[in-house]
Amino acid sequence: DADVTQTPRNRITKTGKRIMLECSQTKGHDRMYWYRQDPGLGLRLIYYSFDVKDINKGEISDGYSVSRQAQAKFSLSLESAIPNQTALYFCATSAGYSGNTIYFGEGSWLTVV
Amino acid sequence: QKEVEQNSGPLSVPEGAIASLNCTYSDRGSQSFFWYRQYSGKSPELIMFIYSNGDKEDGRFTAQLNKASQYVSLLIRDSQPSDSATYLCAVAELTGTASKLTFGTGTRLQVTL
Repeated sequence: DADVTQTPRNRITKTGKRIMLECSQTKGHDRMYWYRQDPGLGLRLIYYSFDVKDINKGEISDGYSVSRQAQAKFSLSLESAIPNQTALYFCATSAGYSGNTIYFGEGSWLTVV
Repeated sequence: QKEVEQNSGPLSVPEGAIASLNCTYSDRGSQSFFWYRQYSGKSPELIMFIYSNGDKEDGRFTAQLNKASQYVSLLIRDSQPSDSATYLCAVAELTGTASKLTFGTGTRLQVTL
């Protein structure tokens, strides 16, 4: 089983619908992230959380919200999906201040039609 | 706004040759530098990190950092077809941590037979 698990892996949704992407990790890391990847734009940080009570906006947070339900769980919501939110979404974790790598989940393909 | 620049490629090298991948960054305060490899449709995986000026070698991979020139590179010796992937450069503000990485758009490497 993957250490960082994302659900769903693929989703097609309609414009205006609410959708949640869920992430859970078994690595015991306190830091969790949501990134978005678009062709030609690389990976961009949406939100990050350094512990359960800490939520921070990344560079592209508009249109998204997050919830850190537990140390191991970090969900991303699109309250009213729009077509330009079609992308590959990655959840990631790292081990505190001294963690020298980010571990990525397998990604969630989201298509908004 | 922090920027990490990479040539999108594709960079094509013959099998057995040295592939040289380059990255520049705009934030002079960046302290930690990472190279990730990403196969098409898959999640990024860490190849190397480097914190200090100079070279760091790990098997066929060498990372080079020049903070004065705000330049980091990755050399792949004896390139193999399995090295064909997109290589992402990433930087972080703080030393010794992968928290809040800023990614480049990636360079696509093709290793030809």
